Amino acid sequence: DVKVTQSSRYLVKRTGEKVFLECVQDMDHENMFWYRQDPGLGLRLIYFSYDVKMKEKGDIPEGYSVSREKKERFSLILESASTNQTSMYLCASSSGQLSYNEQFFGPGTRLTVL
Amino acid sequence: KNEVEQSPQNLTAQEGEFITINCSYSVGISALHWLQQHPGGGIVSLFMLSSGKKKHGRLIATINIQEKHSSLHITASHPRDSAVYICAVLPTSGTYKYIFGTGTRLKVLA
Repeated sequence: DVKVTQSSRYLVKRTGEKVFLECVQDMDHENMFWYRQDPGLGLRLIYFSYDVKMKEKGDIPEGYSVSREKKERFSLILESASTNQTSMYLCASSSGQLSYNEQFFGPGTRLTVL
Repeated sequence: KNEVEQSPQNLTAQEGEFITINCSYSVGISALHWLQQHPGGGIVSLFMLSSGKKKHGRLIATINIQEKHSSLHITASHPRDSAVYICAVLPTSGTYKYIFGTGTRLKVLA
């Protein structure tokens, strides 16, 4: 079974703090994704990585950066957390096969910024 | 207009009812993915399909590529089916990125 794990289920941070969210997958997938999920807005893509050290901006990259130094690990960084970044953050991964490219999701991290 | 539309947005059913959730999309796709998310939980994969029909237990998913429409059916619904059901499509435009529907919130009453 594909397993995608995230470093924390719940996280509380203060405004201005630097926040790291980590995601690890164990299926040797090329692609990894970070999403945020907000009521009424659904899932929105923040960043996408298609290989080690390669990244692409998603729909809402402002205020976020990412790092992928190893194939299995994809980190989301909030350089200076703000209250409007309070949200559920979900990581996903998929293989590099273009067709039928199923994404597998982690359990999510609910981040609260005070 | 969203490229992926789900209906209904909210659905309340009595235990045992047959439930249908619909997903319509306006782009060419290589596959469609049905996902389930329980309250406060992560996202679980139900089906990924590119044609025809798939069945797993009480869940059935169908897709009509020509009509750009998919349905998710739940037979003999149970309170544990209460969740948000999300439709996501993988466009044929050479991308790995999903386009998501906004989800259908299902509540099944005992």
